[in-house]
Amino acid sequence: EDKVVQSPLSLVVHEGDTVTLNCSYEVTNFRSLLWYKQEKKAPTFLFMLTSSGIEKKSGRLSSILDKKELFSILNITATQTGDSAIYLCAVPTGGFKTIFGAGTRLFVKA
Amino acid sequence: DTGVSQDPRHKITKRGQNVTFRCDPISEHNRLYWYRQTLGQGPEFLTYFQNEAQLEKSRLLSDRFSAERPKGSFSTLEIQRTEQGDSAMYLCASSWGLAGWTDTQYFGPGTRLTVL
Repeated sequence: EDKVVQSPLSLVVHEGDTVTLNCSYEVTNFRSLLWYKQEKKAPTFLFMLTSSGIEKKSGRLSSILDKKELFSILNITATQTGDSAIYLCAVPTGGFKTIFGAGTRLFVKA
Repeated sequence: DTGVSQDPRHKITKRGQNVTFRCDPISEHNRLYWYRQTLGQGPEFLTYFQNEAQLEKSRLLSDRFSAERPKGSFSTLEIQRTEQGDSAMYLCASSWGLAGWTDTQYFGPGTRLTVL
Protein backbone atom coordinates (compact mmCIF):
# COMPACT_ATOMS: atom_id res chain seq x y z
CA GLU A 1 0.00 0.00 0.00
CA ASP A 2 1.28 3.45 -0.89
CA LYS A 3 2.24 5.57 2.08
CA VAL A 4 3.96 8.80 3.09
CA VAL A 5 5.38 9.17 6.58
CA GLN A 6 6.62 12.42 8.07
CA SER A 7 8.74 12.99 11.13
CA PRO A 8 8.79 14.48 13.62
CA LEU A 9 5.06 15.03 14.02
CA SER A 10 5.70 18.19 15.99
CA LEU A 11 8.63 20.41 16.75
CA VAL A 12 9.17 23.45 18.97
CA VAL A 13 12.25 25.60 18.35
CA HIS A 14 13.49 29.11 19.11
CA GLU A 15 13.87 31.84 16.56
CA GLY A 16 17.15 31.52 14.75
CA ASP A 17 17.35 27.75 15.04
CA THR A 18 17.72 25.49 12.01
CA VAL A 19 15.23 22.68 11.56
CA THR A 20 15.14 19.57 9.39
CA LEU A 21 11.85 17.93 8.54
CA ASN A 22 11.73 14.41 7.15
CA CYS A 23 9.50 12.65 4.68
CA SER A 24 9.78 9.00 3.68
CA TYR A 25 7.60 7.36 1.07
CA GLU A 26 6.64 4.08 -0.51
CA VAL A 27 4.73 4.76 -3.69
CA THR A 28 4.46 2.80 -6.91
CA ASN A 29 5.37 4.63 -10.12
CA PHE A 30 7.05 7.48 -8.27
CA ARG A 31 7.32 10.68 -10.32
CA SER A 32 7.67 13.52 -7.83
CA LEU A 33 7.46 14.67 -4.24
CA LEU A 34 5.97 17.96 -3.16
CA TRP A 35 6.22 20.07 -0.02
CA TYR A 36 3.44 22.36 1.13
CA LYS A 37 3.12 24.82 4.02
CA GLN A 38 -0.24 25.02 5.77
CA GLU A 39 -0.94 27.86 8.12
CA LYS A 40 -4.50 28.44 9.15
CA LYS A 41 -6.24 27.29 6.05
CA ALA A 42 -5.17 26.02 2.64
CA PRO A 43 -1.80 24.38 1.93
CA THR A 44 0.48 26.56 -0.17
CA PHE A 45 3.07 25.08 -2.50
CA LEU A 46 6.76 25.19 -1.57
CA PHE A 47 8.75 22.75 -3.71
CA MET A 48 8.42 19.99 -6.26
CA LEU A 49 11.28 17.48 -6.39
CA THR A 50 11.74 14.98 -9.19
CA SER A 51 15.46 14.23 -9.31
CA SER A 52 17.74 12.85 -6.64
CA GLY A 53 20.45 14.99 -5.18
CA ILE A 54 19.38 18.30 -6.68
CA GLU A 55 18.64 20.85 -3.98
CA LYS A 56 15.79 23.25 -4.42
CA LYS A 57 16.08 26.54 -2.55
CA SER A 58 13.79 29.42 -1.78
CA GLY A 59 15.17 31.93 0.67
CA ARG A 60 15.77 30.20 3.97
CA LEU A 61 14.02 27.01 2.85
CA SER A 62 15.66 24.20 0.94
CA SER A 63 14.77 20.65 0.08
CA ILE A 64 16.39 17.61 -1.41
CA LEU A 65 15.23 14.20 -2.58
CA ASP A 66 16.91 10.79 -2.28
CA LYS A 67 15.16 8.38 -4.65
CA LYS A 68 17.38 5.47 -3.65
CA GLU A 69 16.55 5.69 0.04
CA LEU A 70 13.01 6.98 -0.66
CA PHE A 71 13.03 10.12 1.42
CA SER A 72 13.17 13.86 1.28
CA ILE A 73 14.16 16.52 3.78
CA LEU A 74 13.04 20.11 4.14
CA ASN A 75 15.45 22.47 5.87
CA ILE A 76 14.60 25.83 7.31
CA THR A 77 17.50 27.97 8.48
CA ALA A 78 17.33 30.98 10.81
CA THR A 79 13.73 30.21 11.68
CA GLN A 80 11.28 33.02 12.33
CA THR A 81 7.92 33.02 14.11
CA GLY A 82 6.27 33.31 10.70
CA ASP A 83 7.60 29.86 9.86
CA SER A 84 5.21 28.37 12.42
CA ALA A 85 2.92 26.14 10.40
CA ILE A 86 2.20 22.58 9.39
CA TYR A 87 4.56 21.32 6.71
CA LEU A 88 3.06 18.67 4.47
CA CYS A 89 4.82 16.22 2.21
CA ALA A 90 2.83 14.83 -0.73
CA VAL A 91 3.52 12.19 -3.36
CA PRO A 92 1.35 11.60 -6.44
CA THR A 93 0.69 7.91 -7.05
CA GLY A 94 0.65 6.08 -10.36
CA GLY A 95 -2.94 7.19 -10.93
CA PHE A 96 -4.35 10.59 -10.13
CA LYS A 97 -4.36 10.24 -6.38
CA THR A 98 -1.93 12.25 -4.27
CA ILE A 99 -1.01 10.91 -0.85
CA PHE A 100 -0.18 13.38 1.89
CA GLY A 101 1.74 12.69 5.05
CA ALA A 102 0.24 13.66 8.39
CA GLY A 103 2.44 16.74 8.49
CA THR A 104 5.02 18.20 10.85
CA ARG A 105 3.70 20.91 13.15
CA LEU A 106 6.44 23.47 13.64
CA PHE A 107 6.19 26.11 16.34
CA VAL A 108 8.86 28.79 16.45
CA LYS A 109 9.13 30.65 19.74
CA ALA A 110 10.18 34.29 19.78
CA ASP B 1 -8.75 35.28 -11.19
CA THR B 2 -7.00 35.26 -7.86
CA GLY B 3 -7.14 31.59 -7.00
CA VAL B 4 -9.35 28.69 -6.03
CA SER B 5 -12.50 29.66 -4.17
CA GLN B 6 -14.84 27.54 -2.11
CA ASP B 7 -18.29 28.17 -0.79
CA PRO B 8 -19.46 28.11 1.93
CA ARG B 9 -16.45 28.54 4.19
CA HIS B 10 -18.28 27.06 7.15
CA LYS B 11 -21.28 24.78 7.36
CA ILE B 12 -23.01 23.50 10.45
CA THR B 13 -25.67 20.89 9.92
CA LYS B 14 -27.63 18.31 11.82
CA ARG B 15 -26.98 14.63 11.39
CA GLY B 16 -29.02 13.18 8.56
CA GLN B 17 -29.16 16.37 6.51
CA ASN B 18 -27.70 16.74 3.03
CA VAL B 19 -25.01 19.33 2.31
CA THR B 20 -23.46 20.60 -0.90
CA PHE B 21 -20.17 22.44 -1.30
CA ARG B 22 -18.96 24.36 -4.30
CA CYS B 23 -15.46 24.83 -5.67
CA ASP B 24 -14.44 27.30 -8.36
CA PRO B 25 -10.98 26.42 -9.68
CA ILE B 26 -8.46 28.69 -11.32
CA SER B 27 -10.05 29.32 -14.70
CA GLU B 28 -7.45 27.74 -17.00
CA HIS B 29 -6.95 24.64 -14.86
CA ASN B 30 -8.18 21.34 -16.29
CA ARG B 31 -7.65 19.24 -13.15
CA LEU B 32 -9.71 19.43 -9.97
CA TYR B 33 -9.30 17.50 -6.74
CA TRP B 34 -11.35 17.14 -3.58
CA TYR B 35 -9.72 16.27 -0.26
CA ARG B 36 -10.89 15.86 3.30
CA GLN B 37 -8.71 16.90 6.23
CA THR B 38 -9.33 16.11 9.88
CA LEU B 39 -7.45 17.50 12.85
CA GLY B 40 -3.91 16.24 13.05
CA GLN B 41 -3.93 14.64 9.62
CA GLY B 42 -2.85 15.61 6.16
CA PRO B 43 -5.39 16.01 3.36
CA GLU B 44 -6.98 12.72 2.32
CA PHE B 45 -7.78 12.26 -1.36
CA LEU B 46 -11.47 11.94 -2.20
CA THR B 47 -11.83 12.33 -5.96
CA TYR B 48 -10.28 13.75 -9.13
CA PHE B 49 -11.68 15.35 -12.27
CA GLN B 50 -9.93 15.98 -15.54
CA ASN B 51 -12.12 18.54 -17.25
CA GLU B 52 -15.65 17.18 -16.71
CA ALA B 53 -14.66 13.52 -16.33
CA GLN B 54 -14.37 12.01 -12.86
CA LEU B 55 -11.35 9.75 -13.37
CA GLU B 56 -10.62 8.56 -9.89
CA LYS B 57 -12.55 8.15 -6.68
CA SER B 58 -11.21 7.01 -3.33
CA ARG B 59 -12.36 3.64 -2.07
CA LEU B 60 -12.91 5.40 1.23
CA LEU B 61 -15.65 7.50 -0.33
CA SER B 62 -18.99 6.02 0.61
CA ASP B 63 -22.07 6.08 -1.59
CA ARG B 64 -23.31 9.07 0.39
CA PHE B 65 -20.69 11.22 -1.31
CA SER B 66 -21.05 12.40 -4.87
CA ALA B 67 -19.15 14.96 -6.89
CA GLU B 68 -19.76 16.60 -10.23
CA ARG B 69 -17.94 18.99 -12.48
CA PRO B 70 -20.37 19.96 -15.23
CA LYS B 71 -18.75 21.56 -18.27
CA GLY B 72 -15.35 21.18 -16.70
CA SER B 73 -15.59 24.38 -14.72
CA PHE B 74 -16.82 24.57 -11.12
CA SER B 75 -17.38 21.43 -9.07
CA THR B 76 -19.81 20.43 -6.37
CA LEU B 77 -19.40 17.86 -3.62
CA GLU B 78 -22.58 16.57 -2.02
CA ILE B 79 -22.83 14.55 1.16
CA GLN B 80 -26.15 12.89 1.78
CA ARG B 81 -27.44 11.82 5.19
CA THR B 82 -24.52 13.40 7.00
CA GLU B 83 -22.95 11.65 9.96
CA GLN B 84 -20.86 13.09 12.78
CA GLY B 85 -17.83 11.36 11.30
CA ASP B 86 -18.17 13.56 8.22
CA SER B 87 -17.09 16.59 10.26
CA ALA B 88 -13.88 17.81 8.65
CA MET B 89 -12.35 20.44 6.43
CA TYR B 90 -13.14 19.78 2.77
CA LEU B 91 -10.45 21.14 0.50
CA CYS B 92 -10.58 21.66 -3.23
CA ALA B 93 -7.47 22.00 -5.36
CA SER B 94 -6.91 22.66 -9.04
CA SER B 95 -4.02 22.41 -11.45
CA TRP B 96 -3.16 22.27 -15.10
CA GLY B 97 -1.49 19.21 -16.53
CA LEU B 98 -1.20 16.78 -19.40
CA ALA B 99 -1.26 12.98 -19.17
CA GLY B 100 1.65 11.77 -17.09
CA TRP B 101 2.45 15.32 -16.06
CA THR B 102 3.20 15.99 -12.42
CA ASP B 103 1.15 18.98 -11.44
CA THR B 104 1.34 21.59 -8.71
CA GLN B 105 -2.00 21.76 -7.00
CA TYR B 106 -3.37 25.08 -5.80
CA PHE B 107 -5.69 24.79 -2.86
CA GLY B 108 -8.80 26.71 -1.96
CA PRO B 109 -9.48 27.94 1.58
CA GLY B 110 -11.66 24.94 2.37
CA THR B 111 -15.16 24.39 3.72
CA ARG B 112 -15.29 23.43 7.36
CA LEU B 113 -18.20 21.07 8.01
CA THR B 114 -19.54 20.43 11.48
CA VAL B 115 -22.21 17.78 11.87
CA LEU B 116 -24.11 17.99 15.14
